[in-house]
Amino acid sequence: NAGVMQNPRHLVRRRGQEARLRCSPMKGHSHVYWYRQLPEEGLKFMVYLQKENIIDESGMPKERFSAEFPKEGPSILRIQQVVRGDSAAYFCASSPPGSDTQYFGPGTRLTVL
Amino acid sequence: GENVEQHPSTLSVQEGDSAVIKCTYSDSASNYFPWYKQELGKRPQLIIDIRSNVGEKKDQRIAVTLNKTAKHFSLHITETQPEDSAVYFCAASIANTGNQFYFGTGTSLTVIP
Repeated sequence: NAGVMQNPRHLVRRRGQEARLRCSPMKGHSHVYWYRQLPEEGLKFMVYLQKENIIDESGMPKERFSAEFPKEGPSILRIQQVVRGDSAAYFCASSPPGSDTQYFGPGTRLTVL
Repeated sequence: GENVEQHPSTLSVQEGDSAVIKCTYSDSASNYFPWYKQELGKRPQLIIDIRSNVGEKKDQRIAVTLNKTAKHFSLHITETQPEDSAVYFCAASIANTGNQFYFGTGTSLTVIP
């Protein structure tokens, strides 16, 4: 069973461009969580999704950020019109139904020039 | 919302000594407390977790204790080895609801050979 997959692992964007981060959960996992980690800080929750539903987006910035987890394919975290402050590592985690354990992917390190 | 504090932020120990990392939480409804180890540039990996219906849990050289009344929990690593060097994060959540994890700010542990 492959672990949580994220791609790309590194992403460089210029200010104003769009960033798309992808997360494929572990097989059988229907819950996906996105977290952001700033340098030398802990992980901050952004959004929790199940297939085709956003369950909790209380950690998402109100503007420029969106997330989806379609019926088919990976979960996508989309950041429009990126700014330098968006530079961070973005981790997704997945868990199977009924489990509290979250398994993390390797992260996408976004750098905004 | 929940607030998790973690101490110390850095910790250096001699190989073979014990290391203790402490966390406090604010929300008495939290009942699931995982600990993650993150090596440089890698994904956070679950090393041990504890639920509020137990006071202590051990797994080889790693143990976690929980004091619900005082709202704090601790990670204990005995007989430390250089490969234990990493950043350790505690987290708190409300189990069985798919809730987000609230993470501490991390402890950078260095084990000196």
